[in-house]
Amino acid sequence: GQSLEQPSEVTAVEGAIVQINCTYQTSGFYGLSWYQQHDGGAPTFLSYNALDGLEETGRFSSFLSRSDSYGYLLLQELQMKDSASYFCAVPGSARQLTFGSGTQLTVLP
Amino acid sequence: DADVTQTPRNRITKTGKRIMLECSQTKGHDRMYWYRQDPGLGLRLIYYSFDVKDINKGEISDGYSVSRQAQAKFSLSLESAIPNQTALYFCATSDVGQGTVLRQFFGPGTRLTVL
Repeated sequence: GQSLEQPSEVTAVEGAIVQINCTYQTSGFYGLSWYQQHDGGAPTFLSYNALDGLEETGRFSSFLSRSDSYGYLLLQELQMKDSASYFCAVPGSARQLTFGSGTQLTVLP
Repeated sequence: DADVTQTPRNRITKTGKRIMLECSQTKGHDRMYWYRQDPGLGLRLIYYSFDVKDINKGEISDGYSVSRQAQAKFSLSLESAIPNQTALYFCATSDVGQGTVLRQFFGPGTRLTVL
Protein backbone atom coordinates (compact mmCIF):
# COMPACT_ATOMS: atom_id res chain seq x y z
CA GLY A 1 0.00 0.00 0.00
CA GLN A 2 0.88 3.65 0.18
CA SER A 3 1.60 5.84 3.16
CA LEU A 4 2.52 9.51 3.45
CA GLU A 5 3.81 11.57 6.34
CA GLN A 6 3.60 15.33 6.65
CA PRO A 7 3.64 17.64 9.66
CA SER A 8 0.22 18.31 11.14
CA GLU A 9 0.76 22.03 11.69
CA VAL A 10 3.07 24.81 10.53
CA THR A 11 2.98 28.46 11.55
CA ALA A 12 4.73 31.36 9.82
CA VAL A 13 4.42 35.11 9.52
CA GLU A 14 3.23 37.10 6.56
CA GLY A 15 5.96 37.69 4.00
CA ALA A 16 8.03 34.73 5.16
CA ILE A 17 8.93 31.49 3.38
CA VAL A 18 7.63 28.16 4.62
CA GLN A 19 8.42 24.60 3.59
CA ILE A 20 6.00 21.71 4.06
CA ASN A 21 7.66 18.32 3.88
CA CYS A 22 6.20 15.02 2.74
CA THR A 23 7.75 11.58 2.88
CA TYR A 24 6.04 8.68 1.20
CA GLN A 25 6.09 4.96 0.73
CA THR A 26 4.57 3.49 -2.38
CA SER A 27 4.97 0.28 -4.31
CA GLY A 28 5.24 2.01 -7.67
CA PHE A 29 6.04 5.65 -8.22
CA TYR A 30 4.00 7.78 -10.60
CA GLY A 31 4.48 11.23 -9.12
CA LEU A 32 3.75 13.44 -6.11
CA SER A 33 0.92 15.98 -6.04
CA TRP A 34 0.08 18.91 -3.79
CA TYR A 35 -3.37 20.26 -2.98
CA GLN A 36 -4.61 23.25 -1.01
CA GLN A 37 -7.84 23.27 0.96
CA HIS A 38 -9.31 26.24 2.77
CA ASP A 39 -11.64 25.61 5.69
CA GLY A 40 -14.94 24.27 4.43
CA GLY A 41 -13.75 24.38 0.84
CA ALA A 42 -12.82 21.95 -1.88
CA PRO A 43 -9.26 20.74 -2.39
CA THR A 44 -7.55 22.62 -5.20
CA PHE A 45 -4.67 21.20 -7.21
CA LEU A 46 -1.43 23.15 -6.84
CA SER A 47 1.29 21.17 -8.57
CA TYR A 48 2.83 17.80 -9.19
CA ASN A 49 6.28 16.36 -9.72
CA ALA A 50 6.91 13.28 -11.79
CA LEU A 51 10.66 13.75 -11.97
CA ASP A 52 13.31 14.86 -9.50
CA GLY A 53 13.82 18.55 -9.04
CA LEU A 54 11.99 21.76 -8.48
CA GLU A 55 8.80 22.89 -10.19
CA GLU A 56 7.91 26.56 -9.79
CA THR A 57 4.45 28.07 -10.15
CA GLY A 58 4.40 31.66 -9.04
CA ARG A 59 4.94 31.92 -5.28
CA PHE A 60 4.64 28.15 -4.90
CA SER A 61 7.32 25.60 -5.72
CA SER A 62 7.36 21.85 -5.29
CA PHE A 63 10.41 19.64 -5.02
CA LEU A 64 10.86 15.91 -5.42
CA SER A 65 13.65 13.48 -4.63
CA ARG A 66 12.62 9.99 -5.71
CA SER A 67 15.74 8.38 -4.23
CA ASP A 68 14.79 9.77 -0.80
CA SER A 69 11.02 9.23 -1.25
CA TYR A 70 10.68 12.84 -0.22
CA GLY A 71 9.15 16.02 -1.47
CA TYR A 72 8.25 19.45 -0.22
CA LEU A 73 6.04 22.39 -1.02
CA LEU A 74 7.67 25.80 -0.71
CA LEU A 75 5.50 28.86 -0.26
CA GLN A 76 7.19 32.22 -0.65
CA GLU A 77 6.05 35.73 0.25
CA LEU A 78 3.37 34.30 2.48
CA GLN A 79 0.01 36.00 2.49
CA MET A 80 -2.85 35.69 4.94
CA LYS A 81 -4.89 33.94 2.26
CA ASP A 82 -2.33 31.12 2.23
CA SER A 83 -3.68 29.95 5.59
CA ALA A 84 -5.13 26.58 4.66
CA SER A 85 -4.48 22.86 4.78
CA TYR A 86 -1.98 21.42 2.33
CA PHE A 87 -2.04 17.79 1.27
CA CYS A 88 0.54 15.72 -0.53
CA ALA A 89 -0.69 12.74 -2.53
CA VAL A 90 0.76 9.84 -4.47
CA PRO A 91 -0.87 7.41 -6.87
CA GLY A 92 -0.84 3.85 -5.62
CA SER A 93 -1.21 2.82 -9.20
CA ALA A 94 -1.84 4.83 -12.31
CA ARG A 95 -5.49 4.88 -11.36
CA GLN A 96 -5.98 6.37 -7.90
CA LEU A 97 -4.48 8.83 -5.44
CA THR A 98 -3.68 8.33 -1.78
CA PHE A 99 -3.61 11.55 0.26
CA GLY A 100 -1.61 12.45 3.33
CA SER A 101 -3.39 13.67 6.46
CA GLY A 102 -2.61 17.28 5.65
CA THR A 103 -0.61 20.16 7.12
CA GLN A 104 -2.52 23.06 8.61
CA LEU A 105 -0.64 26.26 7.73
CA THR A 106 -1.38 29.32 9.81
CA VAL A 107 -0.04 32.64 8.57
CA LEU A 108 0.26 35.29 11.26
CA PRO A 109 0.23 39.04 10.59
CA ASP B 1 -20.89 27.84 -13.81
CA ALA B 2 -18.82 25.45 -11.74
CA ASP B 3 -17.12 22.63 -13.64
CA VAL B 4 -17.91 20.01 -10.98
CA THR B 5 -21.16 20.31 -9.04
CA GLN B 6 -22.53 18.28 -6.18
CA THR B 7 -26.03 18.02 -4.79
CA PRO B 8 -27.11 18.37 -2.11
CA ARG B 9 -24.54 20.61 -0.44
CA ASN B 10 -25.79 19.73 3.03
CA ARG B 11 -27.90 16.83 4.22
CA ILE B 12 -29.06 15.67 7.61
CA THR B 13 -30.59 12.23 7.77
CA LYS B 14 -31.38 9.47 10.21
CA THR B 15 -29.79 6.11 10.78
CA GLY B 16 -31.07 3.48 8.36
CA LYS B 17 -32.17 5.88 5.64
CA ARG B 18 -31.03 5.53 2.05
CA ILE B 19 -29.18 8.56 0.75
CA MET B 20 -27.95 9.49 -2.71
CA LEU B 21 -25.31 12.12 -3.38
CA GLU B 22 -25.01 13.33 -6.93
CA CYS B 23 -22.11 14.68 -8.93
CA SER B 24 -22.13 16.28 -12.37
CA GLN B 25 -19.27 17.67 -14.40
CA THR B 26 -18.90 19.76 -17.51
CA LYS B 27 -15.15 19.27 -17.88
CA GLY B 28 -15.56 16.40 -20.33
CA HIS B 29 -13.38 14.15 -18.18
CA ASP B 30 -13.79 10.40 -18.33
CA ARG B 31 -12.49 9.72 -14.83
CA MET B 32 -14.56 10.43 -11.73
CA TYR B 33 -13.96 9.75 -8.03
CA TRP B 34 -15.77 9.84 -4.71
CA TYR B 35 -13.89 10.68 -1.51
CA ARG B 36 -14.83 11.22 2.09
CA GLN B 37 -13.05 13.51 4.49
CA ASP B 38 -13.29 13.32 8.25
CA PRO B 39 -12.24 16.22 10.48
CA GLY B 40 -8.49 16.65 10.60
CA LEU B 41 -7.91 13.87 8.13
CA GLY B 42 -7.03 13.57 4.50
CA LEU B 43 -9.27 12.34 1.75
CA ARG B 44 -10.04 8.67 1.48
CA LEU B 45 -11.17 7.11 -1.78
CA ILE B 46 -14.55 5.38 -1.78
CA TYR B 47 -15.07 4.50 -5.45
CA TYR B 48 -13.68 5.55 -8.79
CA SER B 49 -14.78 5.18 -12.39
CA PHE B 50 -12.73 5.48 -15.53
CA ASP B 51 -15.73 5.30 -17.83
CA VAL B 52 -19.37 4.29 -17.69
CA LYS B 53 -18.53 0.60 -17.65
CA ASP B 54 -15.42 0.78 -15.48
CA ILE B 55 -16.23 1.16 -11.79
CA ASN B 56 -13.84 0.21 -9.02
CA LYS B 57 -13.81 0.06 -5.25
CA GLY B 58 -11.50 2.32 -3.36
CA GLU B 59 -10.03 2.12 0.10
CA ILE B 60 -13.32 2.39 2.03
CA SER B 61 -16.17 1.14 -0.18
CA ASP B 62 -18.06 -0.88 2.48
CA GLY B 63 -21.51 0.59 3.07
CA TYR B 64 -21.46 2.57 -0.19
CA SER B 65 -22.47 1.95 -3.78
CA VAL B 66 -22.14 4.04 -6.93
CA SER B 67 -23.75 4.51 -10.29
CA ARG B 68 -22.16 6.07 -13.38
CA GLN B 69 -25.22 7.15 -15.35
CA ALA B 70 -23.27 8.96 -18.05
CA GLN B 71 -19.82 10.35 -18.67
CA ALA B 72 -20.85 13.48 -16.81
CA LYS B 73 -22.71 11.95 -13.86
CA PHE B 74 -21.51 9.83 -10.96
CA SER B 75 -23.74 9.16 -7.95
CA LEU B 76 -22.85 7.82 -4.52
CA SER B 77 -25.42 5.96 -2.43
CA LEU B 78 -25.50 5.02 1.21
CA GLU B 79 -27.93 2.13 1.31
CA SER B 80 -28.53 2.29 5.04
CA ALA B 81 -26.84 5.29 6.59
CA ILE B 82 -25.07 4.99 9.94
CA PRO B 83 -23.66 7.73 12.19
CA ASN B 84 -20.01 6.98 11.41
CA GLN B 85 -20.74 7.91 7.79
CA THR B 86 -21.09 11.49 8.95
CA ALA B 87 -18.43 13.26 6.91
CA LEU B 88 -17.68 15.67 4.09
CA TYR B 89 -17.98 13.96 0.71
CA PHE B 90 -16.19 15.15 -2.39
CA CYS B 91 -16.54 14.22 -6.02
CA ALA B 92 -13.55 14.74 -8.30
CA THR B 93 -12.65 14.31 -11.95
CA SER B 94 -9.48 13.91 -13.94
CA ASP B 95 -8.51 13.75 -17.56
CA VAL B 96 -7.06 10.79 -19.40
CA GLY B 97 -3.35 10.57 -20.01
CA GLN B 98 -0.04 10.01 -18.33
CA GLY B 99 0.09 11.62 -14.93
CA THR B 100 -3.45 12.97 -15.07
CA VAL B 101 -4.53 10.98 -12.01
CA LEU B 102 -2.25 13.36 -10.10
CA ARG B 103 -4.29 16.37 -11.16
CA GLN B 104 -7.87 16.10 -9.97
CA PHE B 105 -10.63 18.68 -9.95
CA PHE B 106 -12.95 18.66 -6.98
CA GLY B 107 -16.56 19.60 -6.49
CA PRO B 108 -17.63 21.84 -3.58
CA GLY B 109 -18.49 18.92 -1.32
CA THR B 110 -21.55 17.57 0.44
CA ARG B 111 -21.69 17.78 4.20
CA LEU B 112 -23.61 14.72 5.42
CA THR B 113 -24.79 14.24 8.98
CA VAL B 114 -26.31 10.94 10.05
CA LEU B 115 -28.20 11.10 13.34
